[in-house]
Amino acid sequence: RKEVEQDPGPFNVPEGATVAFNCTYSNSASQSFFWYRQDCRKEPKLLMSVYSSGNEDGRFTAQLNRASQYISLLIRDSKLSDSATYLCVVNHDYKLSFGAGTTVTVRA
Amino acid sequence: DAGVTQSPTHLIKTRGQHVTLRCSPISGHKSVSWYQQVLGQGPQFIFQYYEKEERGRGNFPDRFSARQFPNYSSELNVNALLLGDSALYLCASSLVGREEAFFGQGTRLTVV
Repeated sequence: RKEVEQDPGPFNVPEGATVAFNCTYSNSASQSFFWYRQDCRKEPKLLMSVYSSGNEDGRFTAQLNRASQYISLLIRDSKLSDSATYLCVVNHDYKLSFGAGTTVTVRA
Repeated sequence: DAGVTQSPTHLIKTRGQHVTLRCSPISGHKSVSWYQQVLGQGPQFIFQYYEKEERGRGNFPDRFSARQFPNYSSELNVNALLLGDSALYLCASSLVGREEAFFGQGTRLTVV
């Protein structure tokens, strides 16, 4: 079983739409959680950390459910510039485990 | 402030050769990690170093080795290259290793 599993998508949405996707992780002892975004052939860039209480950063909202080992990301009012692959990342004992990514394409 | 820098950005090697990839972390960051990303997959953990000590190692063969220098920069070495080693090699730095990590632009290695 993969340590982090994500729906690969692609999610193809119009500008202004809301899109949400999630991931699950297998290690219940995981200590911290993140969403990264990766543009084609570029390095991953930190989008936001994810906290148990849920957190927002502008149009982005992340949720963590430790009991279900489930992490979600919601993007409101999608922009063309949100088109990217979103990587779900889990940290356990200094090791980051990445999902394979969810591809989001925002169309005009 | 400079981010994580990696060199070279691109590299072509022949099977059986050896390669050394280099990484300079963000100033003040003492932890450096290496990841391999093949097309269509998420990055896979190779090594983490903190204060020049190996703190963790992923499921990679002994052909892969790394070290961290007193200035916290790091090298990743791969011996006896195989075609399957072709990938984007990413270096990430963080303060102590448990928190957000910041990635360099990567070294794209092609083995022919």
